[in-house]
Amino acid sequence: DAGVIQSPRHEVTEMGQEVTLRCKPISGHDYLFWYRQTMMRGLELLIYFNNNVPIDDSGMPEDRFSAKMPNASFSTLKIQPSEPRDSAVYFCAIAAVGEEQYFGPGTRLTVT
Amino acid sequence: AQKVTQAQTEISVVEKEDVTLDCVYETRDTTYYLFWYKQPPSGELVFLIRRNSFDEQNEISGRYSWNFQKSTSSFNFTITASQVVDSAVYFCALSPRWGSRLTFGEGTQLTVNP
Repeated sequence: DAGVIQSPRHEVTEMGQEVTLRCKPISGHDYLFWYRQTMMRGLELLIYFNNNVPIDDSGMPEDRFSAKMPNASFSTLKIQPSEPRDSAVYFCAIAAVGEEQYFGPGTRLTVT
Repeated sequence: AQKVTQAQTEISVVEKEDVTLDCVYETRDTTYYLFWYKQPPSGELVFLIRRNSFDEQNEISGRYSWNFQKSTSSFNFTITASQVVDSAVYFCALSPRWGSRLTFGEGTQLTVNP
């Protein structure tokens, strides 16, 4: 089974602060995805990478959001500055060619 | 554009009842992939099944079965003899190809009461 570690699992921060969410795949993959889940908008894709290269970032809400994948074993999603409307569960998912997407446990972000 | 509709927001059944979760999709792609994921109260997303658009065979896995009908753009999920542990939110999703975004439906909250 594919595995994904996300950290932190919970994050509470004040509006205006920088937030960095981390994703560490622990098995082979070719693709890495960042999704966000909110009550209002459901599950939506933010960005995804293929072999560490960003392919589609059309879901990134605005310039306050940025994502990087410096190597195959690590990715970050950064929000700067954070706002209360960014409160959500952020999921990282991975997939190998021809395989379905496997999701990490998610990071619950609360911005007060 | 792709769209997935799960019209049933919440379903409540009594244990051992059969329950069907509906999923209707829209896409202009001639090939695509359909998925079901389960999100238990703990919050993780668990993969259940994938289906290729060119394979309309129905599938059964234990108490779970899936009915894919291209003619009606539906991919319904049936749980037979439901159990309390089946209580979760179930998501149907659509993707135009491997390694591409999943478009999720709104989800159906299933509650199985003892």
